[in-house]
Amino acid sequence: EAGVAQSPRYKIIEKRQSVAFWCNPISGHATLYWYQQILGQGPKLLIQFQNNGVVDDSQLPKDRFSAERLKGVDSTLKIQPAKLEDSAVYLCASSLFSGNEQFFGPGTRLTVL
Amino acid sequence: AQKITQTQPGMFVQEKEAVTLDCTYDTSDPSYGLFWYKQPSSGEMIFLIYQGSYDQQNATEGRYSLNFQKARKSANLVISASQLGDSAMYFCAMREGGYSTLTFGKGTMLLVSP
Repeated sequence: EAGVAQSPRYKIIEKRQSVAFWCNPISGHATLYWYQQILGQGPKLLIQFQNNGVVDDSQLPKDRFSAERLKGVDSTLKIQPAKLEDSAVYLCASSLFSGNEQFFGPGTRLTVL
Repeated sequence: AQKITQTQPGMFVQEKEAVTLDCTYDTSDPSYGLFWYKQPSSGEMIFLIYQGSYDQQNATEGRYSLNFQKARKSANLVISASQLGDSAMYFCAMREGGYSTLTFGKGTMLLVSP
């Protein structure tokens, strides 16, 4: 069974630029999560999708971050414009249903200069 | 208040020895779940073990066991017979009630020496 795929693995941009990350969850998993992990901290949930609907986006900075999950499969997370404090690893995870064990992808390491 | 507290920033252990990584939690919900994840330098979070609040016995998965003390609100991870490949960050996380959101602690870096 293929795991959660993410791309790119690394991205370096300058502040005020835009960036997008892509996630492909495990086949059949209805729930998809995006986490932000700042260096030295545990992951923090940004947004949770159930199929193609948003379940929880209470910690998503909506003035600059957006995410979508068209057709209830792949998802993209966008930052526009990026700030220095957005430097972090962005982790995507999926689970069969909400409440089940979450499987994580390898993450995208973003550096904002 | 912190929902998940991991007080050990770093731990050192020799190969083949056992090690305990501490985790305390804070919740008023009677139904919750506790998770441990391993994060090697590659960055991927790897699920290790799960304990439900109503589980009567401590969870075990191979060399991993969870020392669950409900009254103390602690859920320590015990790794027996440490291996060099166990060197990684370890995160404790909690899911409360019917919510699927995980709240993570700050993690503990484990280094296993030969």
